[in-house]
Amino acid sequence: NAGVTQTPKFQVLKTGQSMTLQCAQDMNHEYMSWYRQDPGMGLRLIHYSVGAGITDQGEVPNGYNVSRSTTEDFPLRLLSAAPSQTSVYFCASSFNQGTGYTFGSGTRLTVV
Amino acid sequence: KQEVTQIPAALSVPEGENLVLNCSFTDSAIYNLQWFRQDPGKGLTSLLLIQSSQREQTSGRLNASLDKSSGRSTLYIAASQPGDSATYLCAASNDYKLSFGAGTTVTVRA
Repeated sequence: NAGVTQTPKFQVLKTGQSMTLQCAQDMNHEYMSWYRQDPGMGLRLIHYSVGAGITDQGEVPNGYNVSRSTTEDFPLRLLSAAPSQTSVYFCASSFNQGTGYTFGSGTRLTVV
Repeated sequence: KQEVTQIPAALSVPEGENLVLNCSFTDSAIYNLQWFRQDPGKGLTSLLLIQSSQREQTSGRLNASLDKSSGRSTLYIAASQPGDSATYLCAASNDYKLSFGAGTTVTVRA
């Protein structure tokens, strides 16, 4: 039982490049979500999913895409990286609305 | 939109003192409230989860209370130790989403 696994742990991108942040969980959790953490801003929700095939936008979705083809995986795609997307990204999962969330260890992304 | 506030932003205490961390939220229609610990450069570790129907939850030296009607939760850490130094985050759960406070950074001096 690995919990929530995020890859890569660190990434440097050039402005305009695209990439996918990976998130996988092995706890059979229905709910998965992506957050970004910035100094002084706290953690903010980017996108979330309540089950395979179902996704919705959070507070700061612009510049990001998600899909949920399986229960286990919830990748986050940056379409055209911008310096404003420099941040630490966390993936989280939960069994249902009444249970707590488990977080991954994060991906530290720098866009230059 | 749920707004979560944590006071104080930072706290420094001598070892052995009890810690009191406050969290307030604007929308009382929460499913639950979760307290996390975050060490520098690390991920979030869940400490306590309080359901909306509960008044408090305890785990070892940690105790969290919830007053949903007034939109407040408090995390108590008894007999603090240097290893308790970290940032503590509270998060309110509404409609599949977590709303976070900015955190309280705690330093426990040996």
